[in-house]
Amino acid sequence: EAGVAQSPRYKIIEKRQSVAFWCNPISGHATLYWYQQILGQGPKLLIQFQNNGVVDDSQLPKDRFSAERLKGVDSTLKIQPAKLEDSAVYLCASSFPGVYEQYFGPGTRLTVT
Amino acid sequence: QKEVEQNSGPLSVPEGAIASLNCTYSDRGSQSFFWYRQYSGKSPELIMFIYSNGDKEDGRFTAQLNKASQYVSLLIRDSQPSDSATYLCAVRTNDYKLSFGAGTTVTVRA
Repeated sequence: EAGVAQSPRYKIIEKRQSVAFWCNPISGHATLYWYQQILGQGPKLLIQFQNNGVVDDSQLPKDRFSAERLKGVDSTLKIQPAKLEDSAVYLCASSFPGVYEQYFGPGTRLTVT
Repeated sequence: QKEVEQNSGPLSVPEGAIASLNCTYSDRGSQSFFWYRQYSGKSPELIMFIYSNGDKEDGRFTAQLNKASQYVSLLIRDSQPSDSATYLCAVRTNDYKLSFGAGTTVTVRA
């Protein structure tokens, strides 16, 4: 079974630039999550999708972050404009609906200079 | 008060010893509890989950849950160098979000 795919794996941008991350969940997983993990901290949920609908985006900084999941499969997370404090690993995870075990992708390490 | 707190570590244990990791949570309505292992530079991988009070064993790993004390722990028996990693405690809170602790870094000395 293929795991959660993410790209790019690494990205370096300057502050005020924009960046986008892509995620393809495990086949059949209707629930998709985006997390931000700052060095030395645990992952923090940014947004949760059920199919193509948003379940929770309470911790998403909506003035600069956006996410979509068209067709209920792949998802993109965008940051525009980026700030220095956005430097982190962005993790995508997926799960079957109603099942609590989440499976993580390899993550995208973002460095904002 | 943080939703999920873990002992700060780092925790260093000799090979073959038992590593004991602790986690407390604030939401008394939390129903499910998870331990993830995260190697340096890698993504978290699920190693254990527990829903009911008591112990749950899986190979060298044992998860313990005490909902009255709002406490969950992970024991790693016969620790191996390959167990050296950061262990993240995660709790599914009453609003169905998964909240993670900051993690405890374990180093197993050969």
